[in-house]
Amino acid sequence: AQTVTQSQPEMSVQEAETVTLSCTYDTSESDYYLFWYKQPPSRQMILVIRQEAYKQQNATENRFSVNFQKAAKSFSLKISDSQLGDAAMYFCAYITGTASKLTFGTGTRLQVTL
Amino acid sequence: GAVVSQHPSRVICKSGTSVKIECRSLDFQATTMFWYRQFPKQSLMLMATSNEGSKATYEQGVEKDKFLINHASLTLSTLTVTSAHPEDSSFYICSARDLAPSSYNSPLHFGNGTRLTVT
Repeated sequence: AQTVTQSQPEMSVQEAETVTLSCTYDTSESDYYLFWYKQPPSRQMILVIRQEAYKQQNATENRFSVNFQKAAKSFSLKISDSQLGDAAMYFCAYITGTASKLTFGTGTRLQVTL
Repeated sequence: GAVVSQHPSRVICKSGTSVKIECRSLDFQATTMFWYRQFPKQSLMLMATSNEGSKATYEQGVEKDKFLINHASLTLSTLTVTSAHPEDSSFYICSARDLAPSSYNSPLHFGNGTRLTVT
């Protein structure tokens, strides 16, 4: 079975500090994409960042970057200079060419404190 | 950016009745839409994949006769919860894949979700 594991149910970070959210996945496919989604209290799903599995270079989007370790099937999200608006549920997900559908992890609730 | 409108945002219905949830892509065409269910403090669980002009593909364990999906046009998919029961109370979210470019990794755009409460 294809799975996504987020081992941290909750994380907390102080404003302006850096936090890393963990994600591991399991797939036998070689062609896939990885994503991090943010779900604030409004419940809207917001794409934070995505990574193509065939690319070795880690994706970055402003304060958000990933550490993609393909051999280890690890895909962590680093949030730098954390802001109060970053507080949300974060879901790791992937999609493969075979399944063509997103598989989500269990989520990590991020709190940002002053 | 691409917008997916989901309606209603909240609905309360009585046990035994049916309720329809609409998912519309407002500024793009979507041959494929996905329906998810999310319980409180849990992840999104895919219920079914909706394909325009054909029957939906349901995930294992999802009752297709209870959760009727219709994707009659490139901009509209509907989920009807038939004979709703309190255990069907949940948050339902749709997402739509942009037709262009059409690829499994094309961006998915999410609706704002529908909170269903069955009394």
